[in-house]
Amino acid sequence: AQSVTQPDIHITVSEGASLELRCNYSYGATPYLFWYVQSPGQGLQLLLKYFSGDTLVQGIKGFEAEFKRSQSSFNLRKPSVHWSDAAEYFCAVLNAGGTSYGKLTFGQGTILTVHP
Amino acid sequence: DSGVTQTPKHLITATGQRVTLRCSPRSGDLSVYWYQQSLDQGLQFLIQYYNGEERAKGNILERFSAQQFPDLHSELNLSSLELGDSALYFCASSTRNRGQVLNSPLHFGNGTRLTVT
Repeated sequence: AQSVTQPDIHITVSEGASLELRCNYSYGATPYLFWYVQSPGQGLQLLLKYFSGDTLVQGIKGFEAEFKRSQSSFNLRKPSVHWSDAAEYFCAVLNAGGTSYGKLTFGQGTILTVHP
Repeated sequence: DSGVTQTPKHLITATGQRVTLRCSPRSGDLSVYWYQQSLDQGLQFLIQYYNGEERAKGNILERFSAQQFPDLHSELNLSSLELGDSALYFCASSTRNRGQVLNSPLHFGNGTRLTVT
């Protein structure tokens, strides 16, 4: 069964600093990977996704993520964090086969705090 | 605004009770997914419906059930509630059916926060 691990439960950065959120996945075939963001009181919003092709994917709000098959990782990055980026971030892998086709499996999430 | 509407936003009830959570998908979306977000389990997939039919089942308890109606709105019924059922319940919709997963991302509602006391 597929799984997603986000090793960092809570990360604190200063505004303007760079950010990297880690995500490791376990999936038997070519993974389809996503990053979602959940702001307080809001639903989950899709930041970016990787299906195939270029391993560096660009998303909304200045985020990017790099797929590294050899490391089973899909880390999220942003060069300069803004205070409005404070939220919880979820990495997810899509089940593209079998009886749970279309099911997203999420990591436990990483809470990002931004200091002024 | 994702276009997915969930009601109510908050629900407080006692153990042993039954509640119904409602989800209206985005216009044109035929698939509805339910997810439970709790502190200890994180985001867990519960169940998916496509155009009124159950398509996939995840970690959904037998005390829980769902359905999708002809107008495509969906309801998640939680019965014999326990303290551990306290969580945020998300609904998501998409146009996807088998074979369309890659081209139709999920759009999430803002969730219903259930507190069982």
